[in-house]
Amino acid sequence: GNSVTQMEGPVTLSEEAFLTINCTYTATGYPSLFWYVQYPGEGLQLLLKATKADDKGSNKGFEATYRKETTSFHLEKGSVQVSDSAVYFCALIFPNSGYSTLTFGKGTMLLVSP
Amino acid sequence: SQTIHQWPATLVQPVGSPLSLECTVEGTSNPNLYWYRQAAGRGLQLLFYSVGIGQISSEVPQNLSASRPQDRQFILSSKKLLLSDSGFYLCAWSFGFSGRTQETQYFGPGTRLLVL
Repeated sequence: GNSVTQMEGPVTLSEEAFLTINCTYTATGYPSLFWYVQYPGEGLQLLLKATKADDKGSNKGFEATYRKETTSFHLEKGSVQVSDSAVYFCALIFPNSGYSTLTFGKGTMLLVSP
Repeated sequence: SQTIHQWPATLVQPVGSPLSLECTVEGTSNPNLYWYRQAAGRGLQLLFYSVGIGQISSEVPQNLSASRPQDRQFILSSKKLLLSDSGFYLCAWSFGFSGRTQETQYFGPGTRLLVL
């Protein structure tokens, strides 16, 4: 079956540090890949997505590149802010397959200190 | 633009009591709808999804049920709550097309349920 593996957290960084959150997946075929962010006490917000190999999704300074050869979709940001503190979920889906649902990783908590 | 609402935002219920959580979507027609549960310290678990009125698919057998009485309304229910039902319940929607699931799902603000 499909699965998503994320690095375990919490990831603790100082403001302006470089962020990487690793995400790898196992799936047959070519899924679409997503990063969602969950701020404390809130629902999930779509952060970025990529639908085919070598696509780069980007939003709010975050980036992730769909790497088919390594089955990875690592999230990066050059300079984190305190307001980026949240839980980040990597997910995959096979679109237009008749029956398809999001498969989520377990989430990685990011804590950014001033 | 589309918006998704959930209520109540928080709920404290005794064990054995009934449950009804509501989710509505505005700004689109015939969406696919989903219920997820996020237990403390755990990831997201898909509970139910629906591709149309009256069409409900269950992912996990348990004492919860879902209904879709209107195109943009999705309800999660239980006749008797268990302690293990505590968690954060998230509703989501995606564009529907010919009954097939489309890719991007958009989430509501969630309902935090505590069963005592």
